[in-house]
Amino acid sequence: KNQVEQSPQSLIILEGKNCTLQCNYTVSPFSNLRWYKQDTGRGPVSLTIMTFSENTKSNGRYTATLDADTKQSSLHITASQLSDSASYICVVSAEGSGNNRLAFGKGNQVVVIP
Amino acid sequence: ETGVTQSPTHLIKTRGQQVTLRCSSQSGHNTVSWYQQALGQGPQFIFQYYREEENGRGNFPPRFSGLQFPNYSSELNVNALELDDSALYLCASSAGLGSGETQYFGPGTRLLVL
Repeated sequence: KNQVEQSPQSLIILEGKNCTLQCNYTVSPFSNLRWYKQDTGRGPVSLTIMTFSENTKSNGRYTATLDADTKQSSLHITASQLSDSASYICVVSAEGSGNNRLAFGKGNQVVVIP
Repeated sequence: ETGVTQSPTHLIKTRGQQVTLRCSSQSGHNTVSWYQQALGQGPQFIFQYYREEENGRGNFPPRFSGLQFPNYSSELNVNALELDDSALYLCASSAGLGSGETQYFGPGTRLLVL
């Protein structure tokens, strides 16, 4: 079973609308959680990083939340734009494991339509 | 742009052939990680190199091998290609091994095995 589960697998939203992506993880002990944006056929680009003590972090129209107690994170996209069409990948790191033991989710595929 | 480059961008090979993929890390980064990403899936960790030494390996057979050079660029070699090796191959560089070090991904090499 994957240590990082993301939902929904895919969604279609109208330009200008908001959406929220979910990430549940079982990685323990927890170190940090990142959200990456991956355009089709391109490499992932880091959006946010959160550690245990942080419960919200914003990057422009992207706002990530973290509940380390329930091991859940969300990524909220405000006023979506066509350029937001991408896969959003949740990546969790365990304490003391280094960055060669990252747990990747399969991604939330977002399609923004005009 | 992350400053990480990969070559070639696309490649078509036949079963049984060998392939070499290349990655130039971001300036100042001494760590390179390689990932395989199948369509619709999250990246799967292949291995990591730190200062020319392998530092961790995922669940990939020995026909996947790598190298890191003194300038910290890296190669991924795959022998005896199989159809299932068709994927996007991503390299990511970071400034160190810690779980807090952000990995910066290249654009990837799309490999198709026929």
